[in-house]
Amino acid sequence: TQLLEQSPQFLSIQEGENLTVYCNSSSVFSSLQWYRQEPGEGPVLLVTVVTGGEVKKLKRLTFQFGDARKDSSLHITAAQPGDTGLYLCAARQTGANNLFFGTGTRLTVIP
Amino acid sequence: GAGVSQSPSNKVTEKGKDVELRCDPISGHTALYWYRQSLGQGLEFLIYFQGNSAPDKSGLPSDRFSAERTGGSVSTLTIQRTQQEDSAVYLCASTLTGGNQPQHFGDGTRLSIL
Repeated sequence: TQLLEQSPQFLSIQEGENLTVYCNSSSVFSSLQWYRQEPGEGPVLLVTVVTGGEVKKLKRLTFQFGDARKDSSLHITAAQPGDTGLYLCAARQTGANNLFFGTGTRLTVIP
Repeated sequence: GAGVSQSPSNKVTEKGKDVELRCDPISGHTALYWYRQSLGQGLEFLIYFQGNSAPDKSGLPSDRFSAERTGGSVSTLTIQRTQQEDSAVYLCASTLTGGNQPQHFGDGTRLSIL
């Protein structure tokens, strides 16, 4: 059983379109992070959210942590080809040392 | 170096052989993590080090897997008697002290078992 489920698993869109990626769980987390990973490289942190209901913006990317701290979403406005990659959510349970990673969403933005 | 360094970048070996994967964390980072990523999947936690100690080994899939860290720096992940299901990308990450701090990842070692 996967602790963190991401949807959709694959997403292919045209440049300029908007999209939302979801990360869901039945567990409560003390914090949640979003990473982007490109082929042949390790994941790179985009954002950390810690407060239920928190919204953070990073240029065209908007991240939201659910009120109950069980889920999160990533919204990209006017997607660019440079946004192409594997988007991973990762969460930490209270007192835990390690991160649980989601199943990933592979995004392709077509020029 | 400025980032986490892993070696080798690629390793191909025959089933039954032992392999050693190396991770050089960012200088001064006390926390070090190993993960495994199978093709197209998310990351699976293997082991966590704080200094030279491993307080959390809960992710190691079998007793064929072991890891050590020396001098609070370099870590080695060893897989004995490799099996085909061990084929994956093995990623290492480090943080300054652990907790919610950003994990800085290396580019991984792609392990292929023939």
